Amino acid sequence: ETGVTQTPRHLVMGMTNKKSLKCEQHLGHNAMYWYKQSAKKPLELMFVYSLEERVENNSVPSRFSPECPNSSHLFLHLHTLQPEDSALYLCASSQDYRIQETQYFGPGTRLLVL
Amino acid sequence: DAKTTQPNSMESNEEEPVHLPCNHSTISGTDYIHWYRQLPSQGPEYVIHGLTSNVNNRMASLAIAEDRKSSTLILHRATLRDAAVYYCILRRSQGNLIFGKGTKLSVKP
Repeated sequence: ETGVTQTPRHLVMGMTNKKSLKCEQHLGHNAMYWYKQSAKKPLELMFVYSLEERVENNSVPSRFSPECPNSSHLFLHLHTLQPEDSALYLCASSQDYRIQETQYFGPGTRLLVL
Repeated sequence: DAKTTQPNSMESNEEEPVHLPCNHSTISGTDYIHWYRQLPSQGPEYVIHGLTSNVNNRMASLAIAEDRKSSTLILHRATLRDAAVYYCILRRSQGNLIFGKGTKLSVKP
């Protein structure tokens, strides 16, 4: 148990659906991250939030829309996804952004787009 | 970001030490060496990190070469629970974690 929870753990959606992934951290951290892990590819950083402000957006398509309403919660809103977006989506948090802080990861949401 | 090279896979026997190598010949003076591991069906977890000196914690030891061009993660007594993908990552003082493909460690009973 890392102190970072993600829901749902598994999600199947069609290409026309809209869904949201939720991440919550109980560690009092100021920075939160979304990563994507596709089959046989390394983890890719998607978004970074520091104190609820987006500080990085790594060329992610607009069909992925993050939201950070407060420092404990992070959402990833999904719409009109493609089958190649099927992957494990991981959320992480750290005490601060841009310092050599340990990142704590949630268990991930396994997404399948049909 | 500087690149790391790790073997794709390694095998170990339970209760024996494991030495996981990592080459990083283009490391710069401000790069920290981080290790994370990812157990099956879980997110990555922090293992250890260091800059120049060897480091020990309850999970593992990190041995850093004097020229810093390579490092070795040491698990002193492998258990079945240590079977995972181990990532060696170079991280700038103000940088993000950039994951590679890692080393898949298998532990045999």
